[in-house]
Amino acid sequence: QTVVTQEPSLTVSPGGTVTLTCASSTGAVTSGYYPNWFQQKPGQVPRALIYSTNNRHSWTPARFSGSLLGGKAALTLSAVQPEDEADYYCLLYYGGAWVFGGGTKVTVL
Amino acid sequence: EVQLVESGGGLVQPGGSLKLSCAASGFTFSGSTMHWVRQASVRGLEWLGHIRSKPKSYATAYAESVKGRFTISRDDSEHTAYLQMNSLKPEDTAVYFCIRQDDTIDYWGQGTLVTVSS
Repeated sequence: QTVVTQEPSLTVSPGGTVTLTCASSTGAVTSGYYPNWFQQKPGQVPRALIYSTNNRHSWTPARFSGSLLGGKAALTLSAVQPEDEADYYCLLYYGGAWVFGGGTKVTVL
Repeated sequence: EVQLVESGGGLVQPGGSLKLSCAASGFTFSGSTMHWVRQASVRGLEWLGHIRSKPKSYATAYAESVKGRFTISRDDSEHTAYLQMNSLKPEDTAVYFCIRQDDTIDYWGQGTLVTVSS
């Protein structure tokens, strides 16, 4: 069974930078896994942020960026704002099926 | 405006069946792949499966956890995707979302709650 692993929680100060990662139990994550990132605030439906590793949707603020880092997919939040406090999920493609990571709770403190 | 509206959720007994619907509007439904995802707790999303468009032979794929119990279908004339769930278990209790994939996975519906309990 394929497992996608994210940090359970991270804390960042307002104005700071934080990087979330997304690892695959099958090995290094590459662009062929088409990493997607989603943000979910309490009581809300998840919202798409990043697709195909590093592409922002039209509504995604520029302070959110995606990349590959050390064999993992990564989401970097720069100049973090209080409203960025949320759960973040990655989604990887395994040649037919998709698998979500367990999510990272980002606290802005 | 892209809209996805799920319906059909509710309370069902263990071993029962339920069919969810996802009514789409505001885009060319027939050209999109439609996904189903669930969230069983405050945290945790689980991809369940998808159905591709007619040019891609309406191909389906499923998560191992639901393969053989859940079936995804679509009616392009009604702009609706479906999730047929059989042999339901208490652990299937969750909010179920449909999601559109055009060139990218982007829009989500508001979700419908399924509760499996006696």
